[in-house]
Amino acid sequence: DTEVTQTPKHLVMGMTNKKSLKCEQHMGHRAMYWYKQKAKKPPELMFVYSYEKLSINESVPSRFSPECPNSSLLNLHLHALQPEDSALYLCASSQSPYEQYFGPGTRLTVT
Amino acid sequence: GENVEQHPSTLSVQEGDSAVIKCTYSDSASNYFPWYKQELGKRPQLIIDIRSNVGEKKDQRIAVTLNKTAKHFSLHITETQPEDSAVYFCAASGRGSARQLTFGSGTQLTVLP
Repeated sequence: DTEVTQTPKHLVMGMTNKKSLKCEQHMGHRAMYWYKQKAKKPPELMFVYSYEKLSINESVPSRFSPECPNSSLLNLHLHALQPEDSALYLCASSQSPYEQYFGPGTRLTVT
Repeated sequence: GENVEQHPSTLSVQEGDSAVIKCTYSDSASNYFPWYKQELGKRPQLIIDIRSNVGEKKDQRIAVTLNKTAKHFSLHITETQPEDSAVYFCAASGRGSARQLTFGSGTQLTVLP
């Protein structure tokens, strides 16, 4: 398996809901990432996990909570989001410090 | 932090012509420079990358050049084809960490048949 997978593909949630995004890779990569991408904009780094430990948090609001249960899985827990949080959320993984491979993303709409 | 500027924002070329996209970066500690291609509604796809100890790298029709002194790097696509049409993003590693990529604003490349 040479892919990063993400579920769900689409998610619509209200501002009071709690939901989770999931990311999985079976390439043995030891680093996993969450990015946020708004329409017609570049990806923006949110979090980096290295060897299952959070190593980078780019000052993301606490309504986004990452979790890395094991080396293959990465979750992003969402709570009390705002409409401006609507975006494509991309997961990526890498083995070396280089060559990050992206998943297909979850398109999130906050109503 | 790192700041990456990318030009042009849009680029149209005739099929068979070459396309060049340029990026500049601010952090002299940056040492890794990947390029991603993103087709509409799809994931960013790594197409080529270069590390700071190399000045040029080529893979078939795609090449990347790096000038560390001037802090700029460029993507060159030769013999363009309609399937090359996409948004291209450059990126640079921030604070010397290859894991901490900062992306340029993107270039919409359109290859006209």
